[in-house]
Amino acid sequence: GAVVSQHPSWVICKSGTSVKIECRSLDFQATTMFWYRQFPKQSLMLMATSNEGSKATYEQGVEKDKFLINHASLTLSTLTVTSAHPEDSSFYICSASTTGFGGDNSPLHFGNGTRLTVT
Amino acid sequence: LAKTTQPISMDSYEGQEVNITCSHNNIATNDYITWYQQFPSQGPRFIIQGYKTKVTNEVASLFIPADRKSSTLSLPRVSLSDTAVYYCLVAGTGGGNKLTFGTGTQLKVEL
Repeated sequence: GAVVSQHPSWVICKSGTSVKIECRSLDFQATTMFWYRQFPKQSLMLMATSNEGSKATYEQGVEKDKFLINHASLTLSTLTVTSAHPEDSSFYICSASTTGFGGDNSPLHFGNGTRLTVT
Repeated sequence: LAKTTQPISMDSYEGQEVNITCSHNNIATNDYITWYQQFPSQGPRFIIQGYKTKVTNEVASLFIPADRKSSTLSLPRVSLSDTAVYYCLVAGTGGGNKLTFGTGTQLKVEL
């Protein structure tokens, strides 16, 4: 089946530093990748949608200058949390789709998430 | 976007069948219904997807009535390892569609 690999699985960083999270589709080409964040005991919240070769589309309330997304190839998207602060501590999850929509017999495949802790 | 409503939590015992119902009253014609399972500190895992009537795979069944305004995920003979959060999502092929997660259902299976 389709595999999405996310790296690192966890990271601890100091306040003010930047952290990059990678999301790779291992055995398929991902036209579209989505980035979510999840706080404890809460549902996943969509942060942004990225299409290969174009700028990401951010959800309302998500700072695009703080959460930099790059989708340079059909198998790799990166999320960089810039100038991280303790309130950015969360579980970040990426997902990928071949069709870009998540429906139409092409369910989204999710990475295993990255636990970010900012001290 | 079709909004979904699920029970916040459900309890069951090992060996029982569990049915989780999701309401999606404003589902669009081109929307599919997809269910995901999530364990703590892991990404969601695809369980099953359907458009209408009934779909069955090796782990679950999905029942969708004719009006498609709801769907029921059926897990046969659950075990402790089925304790997880289950999300129902509705999305289609229209341009700009994106998957929005609802609250999900926390299923707790006990001995």
